[in-house]
Amino acid sequence: GQQLNQSPQSMFIQEGEDVSMNCTSSSIFNTWLWYKQDPGEGPVLLIALYKAGELTSNGRLTAQFGITRKDSFLNISASIPSDVGIYFCAGRRAGGTSYGKLTFGQGTILTVHP
Amino acid sequence: KAGVTQTPRYLIKTRGQQVTLSCSPISGHRSVSWYQQTPGQGLQFLFEYFSETQRNKGNFPGRFSGRQFSNSRSEMNVSTLELGDSALYLCASSLETGGHGYTFGSGTRLTVV
Repeated sequence: GQQLNQSPQSMFIQEGEDVSMNCTSSSIFNTWLWYKQDPGEGPVLLIALYKAGELTSNGRLTAQFGITRKDSFLNISASIPSDVGIYFCAGRRAGGTSYGKLTFGQGTILTVHP
Repeated sequence: KAGVTQTPRYLIKTRGQQVTLSCSPISGHRSVSWYQQTPGQGLQFLFEYFSETQRNKGNFPGRFSGRQFSNSRSEMNVSTLELGDSALYLCASSLETGGHGYTFGSGTRLTVV
């Protein structure tokens, strides 16, 4: 099935460093979401974006909805060990046929070394 | 308040059998979606239910079906299980159909042997 192009696939960083990941698509989305998934658990919503150009923060996390509505990025500042996990972007298109249907990126595996 | 509850957490079935998974959404949430997560295909949308009606369906064979009850609880059923159906099945609920910030449950890990 269709997926968003999420990069990088994995990141190995030192505690305290900043992290940046992004998602791109050939299609327009009217909602962008960023989730984090820990092993054996479901994805947890981090940030939701609803308008093109929107920049939203949640603590050390900042995400932006691209102007073209075809991309989004997530930044994590001053990483800590508990940031370890898999980060997913997800997009939702407009229209009735998109009810409940989120299209997900392949995920970014984040490893933080103390 | 309680989150999205999925039961069972783990399940082992044999090829050819059928299975039913259950999802209880957050109280007040009327929209429930189901996703399949595998290492190869990632997270794939199965279907969404709102007020006991299926509003949207992903590209899965007819062996995958679901339903929603009047209390918004949902079940999904997979018949004639295949090895490739082994996956983490996730349920997500939202306040309204097409809701933006879906809350996911912890999932049911299905292994088909």
